[in-house]
Amino acid sequence: AQRVTQPEKLLSVFKGAPVELKCNYSYSGSPELFWYVQYSRQRLQLLLRHISRESIKGFTADLNKGETSFHLKKPFAQEEDSAMYYCALSNFGNEKLTFGTGTRLTIIP
Amino acid sequence: EPEVTQTPSHQVTQMGQEVILRCVPISNHLYFYWYRQILGQKVEFLVSFYNNEISEKSEIFDDQFSVERPDGSNFTLKIRSTKLEDSAMYFCASSERGTGTNEKLFFGSGTQLSVL
Repeated sequence: AQRVTQPEKLLSVFKGAPVELKCNYSYSGSPELFWYVQYSRQRLQLLLRHISRESIKGFTADLNKGETSFHLKKPFAQEEDSAMYYCALSNFGNEKLTFGTGTRLTIIP
Repeated sequence: EPEVTQTPSHQVTQMGQEVILRCVPISNHLYFYWYRQILGQKVEFLVSFYNNEISEKSEIFDDQFSVERPDGSNFTLKIRSTKLEDSAMYFCASSERGTGTNEKLFFGSGTQLSVL
């Protein structure tokens, strides 16, 4: 069974400080990992996916298969980063996306 | 940017009643999904739909649930006889290709269903 764990429900970080949102997964196959974000009063939207190896809004995430982690990082937090962040997992050929419980990130001005 | 639209935004119903939640996916998308989120819990997969049939469903999606694409634009979720535990935010989503190919999901803004 596939599972995603986000250990922090709430995370507060000062503006300008580094951010790291943790995500661990369990899955025996070769997973596809995503980060979705929901800003206040907006819909859930894709932030980034590991296959693209991209940096979006200054965020990056590296898939560590040894530690089964996909932590989301940003070197300098901005106020507009305050949102709910969800880590999610799927596998090739499977339509189900499994979400973590989410981390509410608050950036303190 | 095109959006997935969902109606209504809020639905209140009595236990045992049938509800239909409506969604208009993005027009060139081929894969359609329903997810739900009970208050304080994670977003959970319900069902995926492709080529006019269910391609995958979760244990939650029992006989009380059904999905339909009645015309070329709408995608509906019907709950035949609602239970208190069906109270949740229901999200519709669509994608060009399936999530199994690393594809991005586009979500609607959700329908908050309250069963009394």
